[in-house]
Amino acid sequence: GAGVSQSPSNKVTEKGKDVELRCDPISGHTALYWYRQSLGQGLEFLIYFQGNSAPDKSGLPSDRFSAERTGGSVSTLTIQRTQQEDSAVYLCASSLRDSDEQYFGPGTRLTVT
Amino acid sequence: ILNVEQSPQSLHVQEGDSTNFTCSFPSSNFYALHWYRWETAKSPEALFVMTLNGDEKKKGRISATLNTKEGYSYLYIKGSQPEDSATYLCAFLDSGYALNFGKGTSLLVTP
Repeated sequence: GAGVSQSPSNKVTEKGKDVELRCDPISGHTALYWYRQSLGQGLEFLIYFQGNSAPDKSGLPSDRFSAERTGGSVSTLTIQRTQQEDSAVYLCASSLRDSDEQYFGPGTRLTVT
Repeated sequence: ILNVEQSPQSLHVQEGDSTNFTCSFPSSNFYALHWYRWETAKSPEALFVMTLNGDEKKKGRISATLNTKEGYSYLYIKGSQPEDSATYLCAFLDSGYALNFGKGTSLLVTP
């Protein structure tokens, strides 16, 4: 079956611009996660969605970051007024239930110049 | 933030060598330990989800062990092949749901 997909695969943007990253989770997976890996760092949790519950935004690094999940499926991560330190690989994952194995997308490599 | 450490940071072996990596994690509030393989330009691929102290899991030439009391897990690769070249990530899950990842071990296997 189809796995987790993300778009775009690469994004180069100028400092100060807004960007939107998209994630299509596996159909039927109720949990959706965003992570990012900055250069030299491990994967860092950003935000978690579960069904219709309020998302856990505790990992978002600043108020320039926001995310939504429409209809319990597709999710969009938005970064406003991008900064160079936002450059990273942004990964989305989904799982059937909480704490189950997480299936990852191929990521979006964001470069802020 | 939960401290998950992986060692070594990188490893270069010859085809046919066997190798192992270490993941250490907090020994309190343990729920599960995940291992992933991440090849360049691909999605991280789940290898194992380990939950019980003393667990030992195997998939082909790759196996993993778990010690939750002392907070470590080993990943073993027997007879390494060039296609095993990747970054191997471990991730600790406490009672929550967000995985806490180590920085990974980068493995290069040369023919």
